[in-house]
Amino acid sequence: DGGITQSPKYLFRKEGQNVTLSCEQNLNHDAMYWYRQDPGQGLRLIYYSQIVNDFQKGDIAEGYSVSREKKESFPLTVTSAQKNPTAFYLCASSITGVGQPQHFGDGTRLSIL
Amino acid sequence: QKEVEQNSGPLSVPEGAIASLNCTYSDRGSQSFFWYRQYSGKSPELIMFIYSNGDKEDGRFTAQLNKASQYVSLLIRDSQPSDSATYLCAVNLSAGGTSYGKLTFGQGTILTVHP
Repeated sequence: DGGITQSPKYLFRKEGQNVTLSCEQNLNHDAMYWYRQDPGQGLRLIYYSQIVNDFQKGDIAEGYSVSREKKESFPLTVTSAQKNPTAFYLCASSITGVGQPQHFGDGTRLSIL
Repeated sequence: QKEVEQNSGPLSVPEGAIASLNCTYSDRGSQSFFWYRQYSGKSPELIMFIYSNGDKEDGRFTAQLNKASQYVSLLIRDSQPSDSATYLCAVNLSAGGTSYGKLTFGQGTILTVHP
């Protein structure tokens, strides 16, 4: 079945530690996105990529980094510079183009130890 | 003013009633509008999208778009307890010409359908 796989489902970070969240899709979508959701809030865009080897900052990129070396994969690293990383992280993908609907993975819940 | 704003909830309706969820957006040039449903602890699921003024129906769901008023709504007919969730409005804002593929989400409206 085609879909978006995020792993792990739950992740714990120690102070000063970088952690990487995985996102893999087999939908053959060119565009991929990372969002952050805080309790009772909507989704805020962290980074997005329209094509392999290219990505752009979203609205809240500080303290995060990404790579897009393969079409299927768009990993997100939460660095130690992100002081409030506890949130629900969602990866999405879509066909390239304005107005294309985005489809989401199941998310990763990150907490501070 | 927020770029995408949803009516404050929570919204509670009895089973079988019509639930009406509303969303306004700031950019008059926006072209694409989406409604997602998100159950507690789960990821958002696309339920409707609309591009043109007027109504679009899919089963018990109707999306309504009025670009002149910068307003999009979602109606759920014959509401069921299983419709209880947070509904997120998302808009492909066109401001600045750099919105390619980007969606801006509202804060969500919590809907509870009680038996």
